[in-house]
Amino acid sequence: DAKTTQPTSMDCAEGRAANLPCNHSTISGNEYVYWYRQIHSQGPQYIIHGLKNNETNEMASLIITEDRKSSTLILPHATLRDTAVYYCIVRLLIPSNSGYALNFGKGTSLLVTP
Amino acid sequence: NAGVTQTPKFRVLKTGQSMTLLCAQDMNHEYMYWYRQDPGMGLRLIHYSVGEGTTAKGEVPDGYNVSRLKKQNFLLGLESAAPSQTSVYFCASSYWGEETQYFGPGTRLLVL
Repeated sequence: DAKTTQPTSMDCAEGRAANLPCNHSTISGNEYVYWYRQIHSQGPQYIIHGLKNNETNEMASLIITEDRKSSTLILPHATLRDTAVYYCIVRLLIPSNSGYALNFGKGTSLLVTP
Repeated sequence: NAGVTQTPKFRVLKTGQSMTLLCAQDMNHEYMYWYRQDPGMGLRLIHYSVGEGTTAKGEVPDGYNVSRLKKQNFLLGLESAAPSQTSVYFCASSYWGEETQYFGPGTRLLVL
């Protein structure tokens, strides 16, 4: 199963773009990259996911390198409410059944400052 | 559309007591999951279910039991609570296994 590596913490000024990197050098061809975030004391929130093409939705953009060994989550105009722990997840297949678990790891703690 | 709800929000137990955590979803999802989160750590999967009447073990199943008698509900039971089970418990659901998982707000459990 592919592992991910993220910086422990990052800062970003309010209104600026927040670029959160993730390394997943052992990703296999049929594994997706998912991003979730967890605001303090809340349940994780889905942000975006992709396979190999760049993706954009109302929350963020996901840029995946051509070799798929790394990706970047971009919050285009960070606000104070974006302060959270951001998890980059390569989808893990549970071998004993057809269910899927999310391997959250420790994520990146993003602090958006005024 | 309430999404995923969890009951209770907070509970204090004494060692050896039992309790059941309830997760409910109104999105007609097939898959449901129970995770636990300890301070400074990511979420770890306890048990999951791929459909009504089915359950399976996750990464840390010991000390827990689950049941999925109705499609919309997933129950997590602690038969004899231990201090090591002090944690925040999150329930999640997804339409199928490969789809996005949606999480509930969590249940904070303190075992004394």
